[in-house]
Amino acid sequence: QSALTQPASVSGSPGQSITISCTGTSSDIGGYNYVSWYQQHPGKAPKLMIYDVSNRPSGVSNRFSGSKSGNTASLTISGLQAEDEADYYCSSYTSSSTVVFGGGTKLTVL
Amino acid sequence: QVQLVQSGAEVKKPGASVKVSCKASGYTFTTYAMHWVRQAPGQRLEWMGWINADNGNTRFLQKFQGRVTITRDTSASTAYMELSSLRSEDTAVYYCATLRGFFNYWGQGTLVIVSS
Repeated sequence: QSALTQPASVSGSPGQSITISCTGTSSDIGGYNYVSWYQQHPGKAPKLMIYDVSNRPSGVSNRFSGSKSGNTASLTISGLQAEDEADYYCSSYTSSSTVVFGGGTKLTVL
Repeated sequence: QVQLVQSGAEVKKPGASVKVSCKASGYTFTTYAMHWVRQAPGQRLEWMGWINADNGNTRFLQKFQGRVTITRDTSASTAYMELSSLRSEDTAVYYCATLRGFFNYWGQGTLVIVSS
């Protein structure tokens, strides 16, 4: 089971929007609407930002949104803020009844 | 509120085993599966396996087959992950997590260091 493919890094200036992609296969992202996105600050446990492709948990800013097309999911952060600087991971349920994470993307707010 | 509280850090020698516990509170333990995820220093999150907290059925990532055991004690609302034949590459923070849609809670993590 290979990790989902994410860009290693993305960056943006405060107020801008950025999108992080997450590419899998028809056996994971493409086959199920069970894609989640996590934010992780150094030394902290991951925090759920999006679940089931595009749903935001209570308490997560509406600046975070998710979508999916085919085997690729995306996380968009609008109105970038300094506190958004973190690592972001996607994950998906798979046809093997397992879970797979992406390689992680480091977001830098310039 | 929902909490997952894990056991403390461990230092193990290569070839040894480690058992990490995860005590759940704030919800009915048997309602949600418990997953185990690890993160080596500076590396990505890696899913290891899960246990159906109700019936005890388990599923593991193939690379851990034969080395990992996940169990639970429903009377104690606690899940356990045991990893055997430890090697240096197993040095990581190990998390338990519920990972079910919006019901997504993580333990604080348990650092396991494998060193001779």
